Amino acid sequence: DAMVIQNPRYQVTQFGKPVTLSCSQTLNHNVMYWYQQKSSQAPKLLFHYYDKDFNNEADTPDNFQSRRPNTSFCFLDIRSPGLGDAAMYLCATSTLDREYNEQFFGPGTRLTVL
Amino acid sequence: AQSVTQLDSQVPVFEEAPVELRCNYSSSVSVYLFWYVQYPNQGLQLLLKYLSGSTLVESINGFEAEFNKSQTSFHLRKPSVHISDTAEYFCAVSVGNQGGKLIFGQGTELSVKP
Repeated sequence: DAMVIQNPRYQVTQFGKPVTLSCSQTLNHNVMYWYQQKSSQAPKLLFHYYDKDFNNEADTPDNFQSRRPNTSFCFLDIRSPGLGDAAMYLCATSTLDREYNEQFFGPGTRLTVL
Repeated sequence: AQSVTQLDSQVPVFEEAPVELRCNYSSSVSVYLFWYVQYPNQGLQLLLKYLSGSTLVESINGFEAEFNKSQTSFHLRKPSVHISDTAEYFCAVSVGNQGGKLIFGQGTELSVKP
């Protein structure tokens, strides 16, 4: 089945220690998104790629970076995680071949910062 | 600017009772509307969507939502809920000129009790 995969599902890191979360997709969608979701809140868009074109949200901290080496994979790098970065991180994909934007989500990675 | 408001942050109901989760949006252009469901420690799954045509849309697990343009609403209903429907529900709007973004409501936590 075509799907969005996130690894790992749970990640524990130490304060200030860089961490990388990964996302892969078999949907062949040209757009990939990273969201941060804190407890009892809606997902907050960090950035998205349209093909290789990177689009950063204005309020995304510089501490968050992303890479998309090919269509299938996208990575979220947190350079120096703080306690406030503990959250669920969601990857999503969509195709802009349609007028509407239906997004397909992965299962998420829950990040704990000690 | 477009926005989505979910009027209830928490909705507790008993099993087999009917439920309505309310969603209102504001937009000056045509919109596409979605309901996503999120089970604990999972990503978001599409429940149903309104793109065009019939204003009443249905999901495979008994939920339905009605698009009401005059009231700018897209309320989600189910005539008889199950324990397994306990989850967070997010209403979202895709606006064609938003460069591929979804605008989420704040979420409604549905808690079904025996």
